[in-house]
Amino acid sequence: NAGVTQTPKFQVLKTGQSMTLQCAQDMNHEYMSWYRQDPGMGLRLIHYSVGAGITDQGEVPNGYNVSRSTTEDFPLRLLSAAPSQTSVYFCASSRTGGSGANVLTFGAGSRLTVL
Amino acid sequence: GENVEQHPSTLSVQEGDSAVIKCTYSDSASNYFPWYKQELGKRPQLIIDIRSNVGEKKDQRIAVTLNKTAKHFSLHITETQPEDSAVYFCAASRRNTPLVFGKGTRLSVIA
Repeated sequence: NAGVTQTPKFQVLKTGQSMTLQCAQDMNHEYMSWYRQDPGMGLRLIHYSVGAGITDQGEVPNGYNVSRSTTEDFPLRLLSAAPSQTSVYFCASSRTGGSGANVLTFGAGSRLTVL
Repeated sequence: GENVEQHPSTLSVQEGDSAVIKCTYSDSASNYFPWYKQELGKRPQLIIDIRSNVGEKKDQRIAVTLNKTAKHFSLHITETQPEDSAVYFCAASRRNTPLVFGKGTRLSVIA
């Protein structure tokens, strides 16, 4: 099992450009989520999904879109990149959402710089 | 929604000493409290978790305690070693809601 795979690992964008961060898991997890990590701010939830076709907003959703067409994939789209979106992004999945069995498995992270 | 406060933000201890990191949460319905460790440049990984029907849980040198009345929980690391140096995150959630993380504690173990 590869676990949670994120691509790309590093990306530099110019302000206003769009891009998609890819996330795929091969553990048949129902729950998938995206967090951003900024110095001193911990891990903040952007969007999450409890199953294919279902997505919801987290704490900091503005400027990001997600979709969940399959159980395996949960891409994060930046619509018009801004310097404030410079961050490290982590995708994480678990067997189910909530405290029932939500031991999160994280991807390796994607470091995004917006100039 | 849930709010998790974590203290201290940085902690330095001598090798062999104990380290304690404390978190408070706001939602009395939260019932799951994990701790994640993130080494430099790596992904966060679960090291221990506790559910609200348990007051304490141990795994070798690490332990977590939970006080539901006061809404706080703590991570205890005994006999610290240099490889314990990392950022530690606490988190909390209620059933069927996403985890909310604290801001993290950077632990440095000085040899």
